[in-house]
Amino acid sequence: AQSVTQPDIHITVSEGASLELRCNYSYGATPYLFWYVQSPGQGLQLLLKYFSGDTLVQGIKGFEAEFKRSQSSFNLRKPSVHWSDAAEYFCAVGTSGGYQKVTFGTGTKLQVIP
Amino acid sequence: EAGVAQSPRYKIIEKRQSVAFWCNPISGHATLYWYQQILGQGPKLLIQFQNNGVVDDSQLPKDRFSAERLKGVDSTLKIQPAKLEDSAVYLCASSRDYEQFFGPGTRLTVL
Repeated sequence: AQSVTQPDIHITVSEGASLELRCNYSYGATPYLFWYVQSPGQGLQLLLKYFSGDTLVQGIKGFEAEFKRSQSSFNLRKPSVHWSDAAEYFCAVGTSGGYQKVTFGTGTKLQVIP
Repeated sequence: EAGVAQSPRYKIIEKRQSVAFWCNPISGHATLYWYQQILGQGPKLLIQFQNNGVVDDSQLPKDRFSAERLKGVDSTLKIQPAKLEDSAVYLCASSRDYEQFFGPGTRLTVL
């Protein structure tokens, strides 16, 4: 069975600073990987996804993530954080082939200080 | 295109009562998911439908939870009887080409 680890429960960054949120996964085959953002009281919005191909993936709102197979990681990055980025971020891994099953991490809460 | 619709958005009930949630997926999406998200945790899959059929309900507490998807479109999730630990946000999602689209969720409080 697949699993996802997000080691940072809470991260605080200053507005304008760079951001990196960590995600490690466990899955026996090539995974489908996702990052979602959830603002308070809202559903989950897809930021970006990796299915195959280029290991550096660009997403919405200026986010990017890099798939590193050797490290089983899919870290999310943003060069300059805005106050509106404060939210909870979830990494997820999906099985490939057949009926896809998606497993989510426990999330990282991002606080942005002025 | 319209997104995933869920209702109600909020529900407060007492333990041992029953409750039902409704989900209308994006048109044409064959796969529908129900997730439970407890405060401070990631979403946990309860049940997954492919058209009318269930493909995964391994984490659904079947003694109290039930779900159905009529005609491969709308779905309802029911809890009967509710327990305190069922307090959570219940998220519905539909997918196409391995990308999930989430509804706004229903926040359930069990007193």
